[in-house]
Amino acid sequence: DIQMTQSPASLSASLGETVSIECLASEGISNSLAWYQQKPGKSPQLLIYGASSLQDGVPSRFSGSGSGTQYSLKISGMQPEDEGVYYCQQGYKYPFTFGSGTKLEIK
Amino acid sequence: EVQLVESGGGLVQPGASLKLSCVASGFTFSDYWMSWVRQTPGKTMEWIGDIKYDGSYTNYAPSLKNRFTISRDNAKSTLYLQMSNVRSEDTATYYCTRDDTMGSGYWGQGVMVTVSS
Repeated sequence: DIQMTQSPASLSASLGETVSIECLASEGISNSLAWYQQKPGKSPQLLIYGASSLQDGVPSRFSGSGSGTQYSLKISGMQPEDEGVYYCQQGYKYPFTFGSGTKLEIK
Repeated sequence: EVQLVESGGGLVQPGASLKLSCVASGFTFSDYWMSWVRQTPGKTMEWIGDIKYDGSYTNYAPSLKNRFTISRDNAKSTLYLQMSNVRSEDTATYYCTRDDTMGSGYWGQGVMVTVSS
């Protein structure tokens, strides 16, 4: 299985701050990476697919980048509604594994 | 509006079987691959498996392949997850998802399964 190592495990940011979350795959995944946001008590929502494509309806302050084994999610200007847990998932090789999650809070 | 509504969860004893359902609406169900994903109480996300739009092909997480079976009824726009010989570690919230381009674009609200005697 491809292991997805996500960091940091938790993060606190001030309003307006730029935040980055990293995901490292144990082997190359050819940009087959998705990012999800999960708010407390809710189902996950797709933010980014194909490593850098923004899902419809997702604010443009969210962006994804990376290649090979290293990927990142950036939030340019933290907003209160961005609090939640973020997960990466590789869709390159079965089984489609998730990262362990990053809990993002307002400082 | 796309909707995925799971049902069938609850408290189940170790070793028992359970079948989860997910009714889809708001899109042409038979056009999409569908998946099941679970989230443990500790918030770990685990991909369970997926099924091709016509039901002809399935993939599973190796650790679950021998006990879990995914199926679908396109006439009823319904996805199923048959769980057998359940264990305490199967305690989780189970989500059905619609597979879009390189990601699960839609998720159900989830259904809780608790395995305990």
